[in-house]
Amino acid sequence: SQQGEEDPQALSIQEGENATMNCSYKTSINNLQWYRQNSGRGLVHLILIRSNEREKHSGRLRVTLDTSKKSSSLLITASRAADTASYFCARRETSGSRLTFGEGTQLTVNP
Amino acid sequence: DGGITQSPKYLFRKEGQNVTLSCEQNLNHDAMYWYRQDPGQGLRLIYYSQIVNDFQKGDIAEGYSVSREKKESFPLTVTSAQKNPTAFYLCASSIFFGTNTGELFFGEGSRLTVL
Repeated sequence: SQQGEEDPQALSIQEGENATMNCSYKTSINNLQWYRQNSGRGLVHLILIRSNEREKHSGRLRVTLDTSKKSSSLLITASRAADTASYFCARRETSGSRLTFGEGTQLTVNP
Repeated sequence: DGGITQSPKYLFRKEGQNVTLSCEQNLNHDAMYWYRQDPGQGLRLIYYSQIVNDFQKGDIAEGYSVSREKKESFPLTVTSAQKNPTAFYLCASSIFFGTNTGELFFGEGSRLTVL
């Protein structure tokens, strides 16, 4: 078990639309990170949000964190076909300092 | 340019054989990690190393072995004891290992197929 869930498992949208992916977890965390993976490639770090932060922006990315609900969301605005990839959240747990990955959301942006 | 290099990218193995996957980094990072990814799934931690000459088991260490003799290198051996080794293997590094550790830097992965 990855001790967390991401939803949806798959998301298909049109170019220009916004994409929202959600991540829930069960343990206490120090930070939460989002990564992107193109098919057959390694993961690339997108953004990190600390447990004392509620929202963070980076370009077209917006991440929120609600520690009371143990959940986070990643919003990609004005999506492009090049955003097609799998997106993973990863929780840095306070106990043991492990980084635990979710099972990811497969995003397809249709041109 | 700094980064993590994994080799080989594709590897085929017969049942009963051991294989070693290479991971080299020139980022001067203390911590290194090996993850396994199965189709459509997330990453599971195999082994990690906080510093040279030290390593710890992750969640699925059975059938795998590692060494950390140099800061730059963290090879993973998939032994014949690993019952289902066909998977995508990812190596990663971070500046250090701890509660406040930030991002991981990943290699491009090695795809192992057992024939």
